[in-house]
Amino acid sequence: IAGITQAPTSQILAAGRRMTLRCTQDMRHNAMYWYRQDLGLGLRLIHYSNTAGTTGKGEVPDGYSVSRANTDDFPLTLASAVPSQTSVYFCASSDSPEGVYEQFFGPGTRLTVL
Amino acid sequence: GQNIDQPTEMTATEGAIVQINCTYQTSGFNGLFWYQQHAGEAPTFLSYNVLDGLEEKGRFSSFLSRSKGYSYLLLKELQMKDSASYLCAVRDSNYQLIWGAGTKLIIKP
Repeated sequence: IAGITQAPTSQILAAGRRMTLRCTQDMRHNAMYWYRQDLGLGLRLIHYSNTAGTTGKGEVPDGYSVSRANTDDFPLTLASAVPSQTSVYFCASSDSPEGVYEQFFGPGTRLTVL
Repeated sequence: GQNIDQPTEMTATEGAIVQINCTYQTSGFNGLFWYQQHAGEAPTFLSYNVLDGLEEKGRFSSFLSRSKGYSYLLLKELQMKDSASYLCAVRDSNYQLIWGAGTKLIIKP
């Protein structure tokens, strides 16, 4: 059982380029999340999806978009990358956004925008 | 605004006990989580508290006081592999997790 996979593992990107970070889970979890983690700051929620077909904005959504066409996949797209988007990006999933259900995290994507 | 406060770094000795504190001010409360994150890796779930009191799970325990906006994670019989960052997160009224910056725990022999 893979759990959550993310691709790529790392990427160096020129500013202005478009980039899609991929996230796939095989746990049939309803809810999925995208976070960024920067040194000295807590994880910050970018976008989330409580169930397939729905998405919502988190704390820092500007410059990012997501889609949730099915249960398993939750790609994150940077339409035109900027250096401030240099970060480690984590995808996570949970059975439900409520109750005792914890979030499971993917291994992360380390993105550098030059 | 919403705020989660944890100490930035703590040092402890192998075999000892350490307590990592977390205070929070959030819009609503629907549970508090503790996660462990080793350097370069993803966070992994440790504990969940929604009612006041102590939750024990092996060498790890977590305590919650909702009236004080306070939690702590207690690690007993410290091992070198416990060297990691410990993240406190509160689920707010929108059922989103608000994360602290994490406490880096350094274990010395």
